[in-house]
Amino acid sequence: DAGVIQSPRHEVTEMGQEVTLRCKPISGHDYLFWYRQTMMRGLELLIYFNNNVPIDDSGMPEDRFSAKMPNASFSTLKIQPSEPRDSAVYFCASSLAAGGGGKTQYFGPGTRLLVL
Amino acid sequence: GEDVEQSLFLSVREGDSSVINCTYTDSSSTYLYWYKQEPGAGLQLLTYIFSNMDMKQDQRLTVLLNKKDKHLSLRIADTQTGDSAIYFCAESRGTYKYIFGTGTRLKVLA
Repeated sequence: DAGVIQSPRHEVTEMGQEVTLRCKPISGHDYLFWYRQTMMRGLELLIYFNNNVPIDDSGMPEDRFSAKMPNASFSTLKIQPSEPRDSAVYFCASSLAAGGGGKTQYFGPGTRLLVL
Repeated sequence: GEDVEQSLFLSVREGDSSVINCTYTDSSSTYLYWYKQEPGAGLQLLTYIFSNMDMKQDQRLTVLLNKKDKHLSLRIADTQTGDSAIYFCAESRGTYKYIFGTGTRLKVLA
């Protein structure tokens, strides 16, 4: 199993530009999560999906952020327009509702975003 | 409040035991987790414990859960330099939503 795949691994962009982060969850997993990690705020849950449907987006900071999951194997997190304070590491994670493992979330390697 | 609290730093000598502590808030949490994050990497699950257990052991790792005090700990026996990382505890409150702690940075001195 390839694990959770995220792309790009690093992104440097200028303020005002659109940024799209991508995630491929583990095959068969039915939950997908987007997190943001910063030194100041630690790990924050932005949004999560169940069977491609957004369940809780209360962590999305503002309207500049949007997330989609068009199918079970792909999700995007978009920031438009980007701002320097969006600089962070963005993680995607997935989990499987059924079976053992205690709802364990498996994390991707993250996308390191720097907005200049 | 909603915070899951951990001490920020821990330094131990190689070969000693490390104990990383976590205080959570919701007594209805069903599962509690420990994750490890190495520099520049994502979070890696180390172990988890179901809320009806007091202890779980997995090789060098021992997890202790005190539900009365809402206290979780992770003991790493024979700590190695490769154990240097940030360790996060997390609670799952009956949904698929985790609440993560602030992370404890473990430094292992050779």
